[in-house]
Amino acid sequence: QKEVEQDPGPLSVPEGAIVSLNCTYSNSAFQYFMWYRQYSRKGPELLMYTYSSGNKEDGRFTAQVDKSSKYISLFIRDSQPSDSATYLCASYNQGGKLIFGQGTELSVKP
Amino acid sequence: DAEITQSPRHKITETGRQVTLACHQTWNHNNMFWYRQDLGHGLRLIHYSYGVHDTNKGEVSDGYSVSRSNTEDLPLTLESAASSQTSVYFCASSESFGQPQHFGDGTRLSIL
Repeated sequence: QKEVEQDPGPLSVPEGAIVSLNCTYSNSAFQYFMWYRQYSRKGPELLMYTYSSGNKEDGRFTAQVDKSSKYISLFIRDSQPSDSATYLCASYNQGGKLIFGQGTELSVKP
Repeated sequence: DAEITQSPRHKITETGRQVTLACHQTWNHNNMFWYRQDLGHGLRLIHYSYGVHDTNKGEVSDGYSVSRSNTEDLPLTLESAASSQTSVYFCASSESFGQPQHFGDGTRLSIL
């Protein structure tokens, strides 16, 4: 079983839609969770960082961690064509390594 | 603004050649990392360093080496390039364990 699993998509939505991106992780001891956005031919860019459980909001983006189900989510409200990118979830494992999901490719159509 | 820069952005070389990819960060971070990104495999850790003169192997370290002589730089060397090492390489840095890693824009390496 992979330590962090993510549905690779691709996911296509119309402009203005609410997008939900999800990952699961294997170890309930994981504490630090990140979402990165990666545009084509660019490096991953930190989008959201959360510690432990709960919600964090930043503009149109909300990150949610549910430790009881070992589930992390990223919600994008009022999605824009500029949100079209690959989204990567990540968590530090107990060995101190940052483990990434496979990435979900999102396309927002005008 | 602090940043992390990689060079070159693109490189084509031949099998058997030695290749060095540069990574320079101005975050003043202790921790630095090298990843490769391939379709179907995602980001995989090659080598990492927790400070000057410290280097450690990641999950796909065979055929690669790093050295850390100062805080800002962690060059990645392919000793004898192989076609299986054709990939996109990313360098990253972080302040400490648990903190987010910040990435460069990558080097696209093709080995013919």
